[in-house]
Amino acid sequence: QVQLVQSGSEVKEPGASVTVSCKASGYTFSNYFIHWVRQAPGRGLEWMGVITPSIGTTSSTQKFQGRLSITRDTSTTTVYMELRGLRSEDTAVYYCARDSQLVTLPAAYTFDIWGQGTLVSVSS
Amino acid sequence: DIQMTQSPSSLSASVGDRVTITCRSSQYIDTYLNWYQHKPGKAPNLLIFAASNLQSGVPSRFSGSGSGTDFTLTISSLQPEDFATYYCQQSYITPHLFGQGTKVEVK
Repeated sequence: QVQLVQSGSEVKEPGASVTVSCKASGYTFSNYFIHWVRQAPGRGLEWMGVITPSIGTTSSTQKFQGRLSITRDTSTTTVYMELRGLRSEDTAVYYCARDSQLVTLPAAYTFDIWGQGTLVSVSS
Repeated sequence: DIQMTQSPSSLSASVGDRVTITCRSSQYIDTYLNWYQHKPGKAPNLLIFAASNLQSGVPSRFSGSGSGTDFTLTISSLQPEDFATYYCQQSYITPHLFGQGTKVEVK
C-alpha cells in the first residue's frame, strides 16, 4: 500500500543539526511532491517546505531559509529533511507528507498521505 | 501571509451530535481550503480538499462548504472515533498556513 515511513526519534543539543528520512513505497516516487510539516508541543501544524522528487527542486517557507535542506535519493525512494542550528523551539514532531497532485502540474499543497512522524527533541 | 482563524478553539459534544467548525482566512482564497483530522500520536488525515470535496475513504458524515474567506466543516452525527483535533489549511499561496485547530472533546 501507499506509505511513507520515517526514521526514529532524535535528541539533539542546541546548535546541532538533525536529519530525518522519509521512505516512500507503494507508488511511483518521482510522480508526487513531498512536503515537510511540523508540530511543536501544544502548537498547531506548520508547513516547512517541499521537494519535487523527479528533479530535486525545493521550496521552503522564509522562516527556515538558510537552516533547512530537503533532498532526495531516487534509488532508495527516500526524502531527507535536514535542519541546522537547532534551537529549543525546534522541538517538535516532524512529518513528511505527499502532495495529492502529480508533478506534471503545480503542487496542490494538499497532503493525502502522511508519514508516522518523527519526534526531534532539542535540549542541553 | 494569509492567516487562518478557526472557531471555536475547542468544543464539547456527544455521540450523535451535529458539529460545525468554522475557518476564516484573512484574504480571499477561492476554494483552496483543506480540512484534516489529527489524533494524538497519529499522522493527520485529509478529510476534505478544495473546500467541499470528500477525500476517498472518508465517511460521508463529514462535509465541507464555503468559498472566498469563510469555510465550514460539518460532522453530521458525531461518532466515537471522531473525537480529535481538526485543522483547516489554505492551499492558495505560500506559506500554506494551517488554522490553530479545533479540539472536539467528549461532553
